[in-house]
This record gives sequence, structure tokens and C-alpha cells, in this order.
Amino acid sequence: DQQVKQNSPSLSVQEGRISILNCDYTNSMFDYFLWYKKYPAEGPTFLISISSIKDKNEDGRFTVFLNKSAKHLSLHIVPSQPGDSAVYFCAASAEYGNKLVFGAGTILRVKS
Amino acid sequence: GAGVSQSPSNKVTEKGKDVELRCDPISGHTALYWYRQSLGQGLEFLIYFQGNSAPDKSGLPSDRFSAERTGGSVSTLTIQRTEQRDSAMYRCASSLLGSTNYGYTFGSGTRLTVV
Repeated sequence: DQQVKQNSPSLSVQEGRISILNCDYTNSMFDYFLWYKKYPAEGPTFLISISSIKDKNEDGRFTVFLNKSAKHLSLHIVPSQPGDSAVYFCAASAEYGNKLVFGAGTILRVKS
Repeated sequence: GAGVSQSPSNKVTEKGKDVELRCDPISGHTALYWYRQSLGQGLEFLIYFQGNSAPDKSGLPSDRFSAERTGGSVSTLTIQRTEQRDSAMYRCASSLLGSTNYGYTFGSGTRLTVV
């Protein structure tokens, strides 16, 4: 039972344009949502998070949007840079500090 | 240390043997997690330690898997009688609960190959 789904295995974007990565979840108990970025041969690194009391959180070029009624969140990267090319994982938790449930990841390629 | 350290980075073992994977979390981090990632898959939760509380073992796939965390710091994940389907990247993460960003810090992982 996949509680967190990233339906696009890969995404290719031109440098300078917007990258939009999507994530859907099924568990209405999820209250915290995070995005992680992973480069080859490295562990995932935390990127940005949002709690269910918000619908948007912004950090520089990265913005996460949460639509609780649709059980959908997205990560926007603008402008996209070649260094953003990585695997992006969406994750969710039902309780602060508790285990995260991860999606399968989306490979982002930013072309220069 | 500065980050989460895992050892060994690679482990090849014969089917049926036991293996131990080690995780050194960031000093002061109260929470420690084990995940595994099979090829082309997302991160699968295995077990979670938080302070002195009983660990959440709900993700362990079978009784061949066990983990302990000594002194609230170093953790060891043990897989007994390994099977080929246990081959995966095993990742440890730690976090400091109460931090504003809430994110985990992951180690570089141990790639386990069972032949």
C-alpha cells in the first residue's frame, strides 16, 4: 500500500525555467511533509518542509505547496539550475518526530 | 561527528550468513531511524529509536531483522540468515526533535549484497 506516491519517475527542464515536482498521499493523518534531494552516491538531504497548518512554505528558489483537501503537495524550483539535477523524494509523517513515509522519487534533469 | 556515519559502506555476504550494519548518529540527536532502499524504490522504513522510549519496530520485514541502540547513540542493525532479497542500500538517519526544520540527516548508507 503506497501511502505516498510520486507518479512521475523523471522530469526534464530547461535551465532558468520552473521545475514542478508533484506528490500525492492517501493517509489523511499525515501532518508533516518534507522534500529531500539526493545526488548519486550520497544520502538524501533535507530540502524543505511544511506542516498541515500552512499551504505554502518558501525558501529561496524552493517553494512547497500543500493542498490538504486534494491530498497533494508540490515542490516548485524557480529558476531551475543544472546543479538542481538530482532525485527528489517526497515524505510525510503523521506525528512530529515519527517515522517518515517516502515516495519512490522523481529524477529531475535540468538542461543547460 | 559532523554527520551521520555508517559502516561498512559496502558489504557482500553469502546467503545464510548474519550481517551487522553500524550507524553513528550526529552527537546530541535523540532520534535515530533505519531505512532501506531497493533498486528503483523509495525509502522503506524499518525501525525508529527515540530517547529511552521503546523503539518502533513496525517496519522490520521479518524476525531475521533486529536493531539496538546502545547508550542512546550508536545503533546496530542485524540481519540473520541473510537472503538475496535483503540486498539493498541500508540508510540510517538521525534528527534532533524540536528543531524547526524537522528534517532528518541521512548517512551515506551501507550497500548490502547477498550472493
